[in-house]
Amino acid sequence: ETGVTQSPTHLIKTRGQQVTLRCSSQSGHNTVSWYQQALGQGPQFIFQYYREEENGRGNFPPRFSGLQFPNYSSELNVNALELDDSALYLCASSATGSGRTDTQYFGPGTRLTVL
Amino acid sequence: AQKITQTQPGMFVQEKEAVTLDCTYDTSDPSYGLFWYKQPSSGEMIFLIYQGSYDQQNATEGRYSLNFQKARKSANLVISASQLGDSAMYFCAMRGPISSGSARQLTFGSGTQLTVLP
Repeated sequence: ETGVTQSPTHLIKTRGQQVTLRCSSQSGHNTVSWYQQALGQGPQFIFQYYREEENGRGNFPPRFSGLQFPNYSSELNVNALELDDSALYLCASSATGSGRTDTQYFGPGTRLTVL
Repeated sequence: AQKITQTQPGMFVQEKEAVTLDCTYDTSDPSYGLFWYKQPSSGEMIFLIYQGSYDQQNATEGRYSLNFQKARKSANLVISASQLGDSAMYFCAMRGPISSGSARQLTFGSGTQLTVLP
């Protein structure tokens, strides 16, 4: 196990609702990245947080937003849910700034279904 | 822009045999990192092996080795002595250069579904 945890495991929402997903990073890691993985595809980068600030963003609309807390845990918020938001959401933690490989270690994911 | 291509949607291998999963990449950056992850049906992405663009030797981690051919821009994963538990989706991913202020995002390929036959 990586030590990265995510909650909840599964979630069902209806179109137009808002959702918050949570991630606790591995001990000693200061960076959290979020990915969306649609069925049958590779993960797509949403954004990354480092020292509580957004450190890069993929091609996702502003209704996808996030936070990182002083303990390096993170939240992903999605507003005005659309059917296409149904996916597995993966959180990954890594250690930035130490000259290491910046390997990202993933949590078990949150499977979101939008009806 | 970075791009990862995995051309094998599915692969079959007999238990105890070796298998090679293909990955080609495209980038204009001289510095980059290549990763392989395993994703079982449970969904968690498991890190397997890393290769840096400036590493002189091919990476190895237990039964996993990375056949890195920089000139061909390929980074194939070799799994030796396949086991039934190796059946999973395998993703190749690339990270751009480590530089101050840049996101170290991963760009993933579309994956290869490996099935190990008894």
